[in-house]
Amino acid sequence: EAQVTQNPRYLITVTGKKLTVTCSQNMNHEYMSWYRQDPGLGLRQIYYSMNVEVTDKGDVPEGYKVSRKEKRNFPLILESPSPNQTSLYFCASKAFGIGEQYFGPGTRLTVT
Amino acid sequence: GENVEQHPSTLSVQEGDSAVIKCTYSDSASNYFPWYKQELGKRPQLIIDIRSNVGEKKDQRIAVTLNKTAKHFSLHITETQPEDSAVYFCAASLMQTGANNLFFGTGTRLTVIP
Repeated sequence: EAQVTQNPRYLITVTGKKLTVTCSQNMNHEYMSWYRQDPGLGLRQIYYSMNVEVTDKGDVPEGYKVSRKEKRNFPLILESPSPNQTSLYFCASKAFGIGEQYFGPGTRLTVT
Repeated sequence: GENVEQHPSTLSVQEGDSAVIKCTYSDSASNYFPWYKQELGKRPQLIIDIRSNVGEKKDQRIAVTLNKTAKHFSLHITETQPEDSAVYFCAASLMQTGANNLFFGTGTRLTVIP
């Protein structure tokens, strides 16, 4: 089954404790992206990747890191989480060109 | 970069009535306009999209119209049903080799009242 997976789905952590949210896709997509969703603000892009070892900042990259060492994986790293990073996070992937962007199930992160 | 505005932020309709959600975009080069539906607690899923060389596209009860001159596009849902209740996001993009970012509107929460 073609899909994008994320782990964990729910995470409660404390300020400053490093965490990683994993994202994996099995569709051989070149493009992958991370978004955060906050009430009234829609989906805002954090980082994206056009291919292995190629990443770039989106609209809200501060406080986040990513890596793309393999085509299927695109982890999101919060080196020192803060309460303003409490949000719902979505990973997505798509093939190049016009076409559907597939979203993962989401990760709800709470930073206290 | 691209800026997408979406209205209204909330919309309530009676079952069977029509619903219209409108979006405007800023970059005249954008050429791809998808609409995503997000049910409560679920991921966004594509429901319909339109390319800039087409003015209207229909899929059963949903349709999207595009006015390139005015830089706006709209989602139309006819004969609404309770299962249409969700948050709808419009997006715009310049789709070409090497450029695939979607710029999303802020969403419309549609409630269909039985």
